[in-house]
Amino acid sequence: KNQVEQSPQSLIILEGKNCTLQCNYTVSPFSNLRWYKQDTGRGPVSLTIMTFSENTKSNGRYTATLDADTKQSSLHITASQLSDSASYICVVLLNAGNNRKLIWGLGTSLAVNP
Amino acid sequence: DTEVTQTPKHLVMGMTNKKSLKCEQHMGHRAMYWYKQKAKKPPELMFVYSYEKLSINESVPSRFSPECPNSSLLNLHLHALQPEDSALYLCASSQDIGGVYNEQFFGPGTRLTVL
Repeated sequence: KNQVEQSPQSLIILEGKNCTLQCNYTVSPFSNLRWYKQDTGRGPVSLTIMTFSENTKSNGRYTATLDADTKQSSLHITASQLSDSASYICVVLLNAGNNRKLIWGLGTSLAVNP
Repeated sequence: DTEVTQTPKHLVMGMTNKKSLKCEQHMGHRAMYWYKQKAKKPPELMFVYSYEKLSINESVPSRFSPECPNSSLLNLHLHALQPEDSALYLCASSQDIGGVYNEQFFGPGTRLTVL
């Protein structure tokens, strides 16, 4: 079954600290993996997109890694800010010929406290 | 312009009302999407338009009727909705439905409440 699982479900950290969010997937055939940030009641905003040949991709204080062999990805947030409080969603693009579909994780809810 | 805009931001409607949600992008994207998102759940795909033609309908009830008047605009017409249809409705666009990345850009959403 095509699934994306994220951990932890929720996380609370202090401002200025680093954190790492995890994503495991069983989607096949795999096309790419993306991380979105979604503020409550707002649309998702893309942070990174990686194909199977890309191991690491950075976007400012956000760094995503991908291990296509173990089907795992992580999102590392450095020097967290209060504005980082949001849901972080891992999404994998399934690409099976005419069937192209985004498989969404349930997200990790991050709260950054002062 | 790298933005997807949606109007209205909030909408409250009765079960007998007819209303429309609007979405607009000026990035030259040829694929546009409607998603429905319930609280603490990921977005669920409803419809996909590719080059102004309906490409995917994820078995959405007929009380939701999409329309793509031109390559920049996407509407979602609502009629005889149920309270369980209350959700955040998200519009997205991408360069096309193919390609390696198929990066989708999302709008801010319309918060719909059906009374």
